Amino acid sequence: NAGVTQTPKFQVLKTGQSMTLQCAQDMNHNSMYWYRQDPGMGLRLIYYSASEGTTDKGEVPNGYNVSRLNKREFSLRLESAAPSQTSVYFCASSDRQLLFYGYTFGSGTRLTVV
Amino acid sequence: QQQVKQSPQSLIVQKGGISIINCAYENTAFDYFPWYQQFPGKGPALLIAIRPDVSEKKEGRFTISFNKSAKQFSLHIMDSQPGDSATYFCAASVGETSGSRLTFGEGTQLTVNP
Repeated sequence: NAGVTQTPKFQVLKTGQSMTLQCAQDMNHNSMYWYRQDPGMGLRLIYYSASEGTTDKGEVPNGYNVSRLNKREFSLRLESAAPSQTSVYFCASSDRQLLFYGYTFGSGTRLTVV
Repeated sequence: QQQVKQSPQSLIVQKGGISIINCAYENTAFDYFPWYQQFPGKGPALLIAIRPDVSEKKEGRFTISFNKSAKQFSLHIMDSQPGDSATYFCAASVGETSGSRLTFGEGTQLTVNP
């Protein structure tokens, strides 16, 4: 099925460990985004990539890095995980006019840092 | 600093009733206002969106009302159904093309009782 695929779906890390969240889209979209979702805080933008070869910080970039590997793939890396990074992470992609098509989100990665 | 503030945090409505969720924004440069719907375990999906040059947009049972002078917009769900039970997010961005960054509200958990 066409869409945004995120791996893994669940992950438990110990404080200080590192990991990479993977995201791939097969809709030939130009733009990709990483958000985190926390109760009572909505979705907050971590990093985004407006087009292949570019990345920019969002609202809450501290503690994260990203790589736009190619047009399809956009990964999010936690170098040294902290309990404050316990969250649900969503990758999204977009193209064309948002009024009609919006963002396409993946199903999320639930990360727990202990 | 939350640029888009959403209320209420949770809402319980009887089947057939009207659900109303409100959002207020600060950035007058915002010119695209979508609503997203999220079911448990899924990523958000575009429900309906509006540009500020219209005061209302209706799609089926869902209506966005927009008040530019008050910097507020709302979602009305008519004849609410149990299947509408989900979390709803308002959002806003500057521009509506590929690469535009959405700023989300805190979310409203809607429960429609049968």
